[in-house]
Amino acid sequence: DAGITQSPRHKVTETGTPVTLRCHQTENHRYMYWYRQDPGHGLRLIHYSYGVKDTDKGEVSDGYSVSRSKTEDFLLTLESATSSQTSVYFCAITDRGRTDTQYFGPGTRLTVL
Amino acid sequence: SQQGEEDPQALSIQEGENATMNCSYKTSINNLQWYRQNSGRGLVHLILIRSNEREKHSGRLRVTLDTSKKSSSLLITASRAADTASYFCATGSQGGSEKLVFGKGTKLTVNP
Repeated sequence: DAGITQSPRHKVTETGTPVTLRCHQTENHRYMYWYRQDPGHGLRLIHYSYGVKDTDKGEVSDGYSVSRSKTEDFLLTLESATSSQTSVYFCAITDRGRTDTQYFGPGTRLTVL
Repeated sequence: SQQGEEDPQALSIQEGENATMNCSYKTSINNLQWYRQNSGRGLVHLILIRSNEREKHSGRLRVTLDTSKKSSSLLITASRAADTASYFCATGSQGGSEKLVFGKGTKLTVNP
């Protein structure tokens, strides 16, 4: 998976609790992305980062925040999880950040009860 | 909103047959990419075709791009059971956007 790890790989939580997902890369790539994948919707971009402390919103950013304090780590936080955020979350990285190949992590399956 | 739309949503074939999947998109693009996802795994990049290219090959994969019709096709020749997966197209927009927009995918089943 191109030097990308995600943690945790599985998580079950309750509505209203905060959740943080971590993406860690060893490739020193500038761009990092968080997607969610749901049946019938494919992959949808939540947030992305184009450098340390530089982030921007994607298509479905409501209810999510991100932080990137180091090149290698990109954190996705659900401040107050809702059942609609039950999904599989994928992190991706790209080297040149010009819509070239993206490399994906293994995913985190999040269930919000 | 989805940029790429794959067709068909699901495809079932026998080993040795060819599989063709199509992708249509709405706005001008810089490039179009195809990815594969095995069940329970992350996506894996297969091939990228730029807007000024019409056809590209990689092993048993052939991708075509018709920018006038805003469509692309992925052909897998001599399919194998190991090709069973979901296939997604993703488009990068003109202007150097660093974001890709993914379609909903085609689920391919290759029966042995």
